[in-house]
Amino acid sequence: GENVEQHPSTLSVQEGDSAVIKCTYSDSASNYFPWYKQELGKRPQLIIDIRSNVGEKKDQRIAVTLNKTAKHFSLHITETQPEDSAVYFCAASELGATNKLIFGTGTLLAVQP
Amino acid sequence: DAGVTQSPTHLIKTRGQQVTLRCSPKSGHDTVSWYQQALGQGPQFIFQYYEEEERQRGNFPDRFSGHQFPNYSSELNVNALLLGDSALYLCASSSAGHSYEQYFGPGTRLTVT
Repeated sequence: GENVEQHPSTLSVQEGDSAVIKCTYSDSASNYFPWYKQELGKRPQLIIDIRSNVGEKKDQRIAVTLNKTAKHFSLHITETQPEDSAVYFCAASELGATNKLIFGTGTLLAVQP
Repeated sequence: DAGVTQSPTHLIKTRGQQVTLRCSPKSGHDTVSWYQQALGQGPQFIFQYYEEEERQRGNFPDRFSGHQFPNYSSELNVNALLLGDSALYLCASSSAGHSYEQYFGPGTRLTVT
């Protein structure tokens, strides 16, 4: 069935370093890949997304890359700051159907000051 | 412009009871999806409502049911509660005709004792 694997489950970096989170999806029909940031006790917030017709997308310090052939996509955060500390979830969806999101298991990112 | 709202914030129920959770979508959105997020896990898709109809359902038993009203707000009902139903229930709204981005509400924390 549909599945999204996410690694690592925890990631600790020093302030100013880069962080990379990787996901793999199983459903080849997936064509939309959002990333959500969830702070403790708060709602998931969309931080960046990418569609399958694009290989890379950037928004200031965050970027997402997609390899459709390998069914991999990754989140890159540069110049990390303590406020980047949160749980990050990747997700995959097939647009045009119901757009249901299949989420990964999450990565707890800790940015040490 | 109000975002997605949910009520109540917290709820404690006993096994076997029934519960109703409510969601109001973001202004301009007509589609509501419900997700269950167990502690330490990613959200799991329950079902989605559009035009007052259930469009698709995830792997949840029929104890989970829902409804969408003409004003696009939605309810999630869970019957015969089990301890394993304890979780954060999130609703997400989107616009079927204009955008694939899903915006989440703050969630309802359900505890079953």
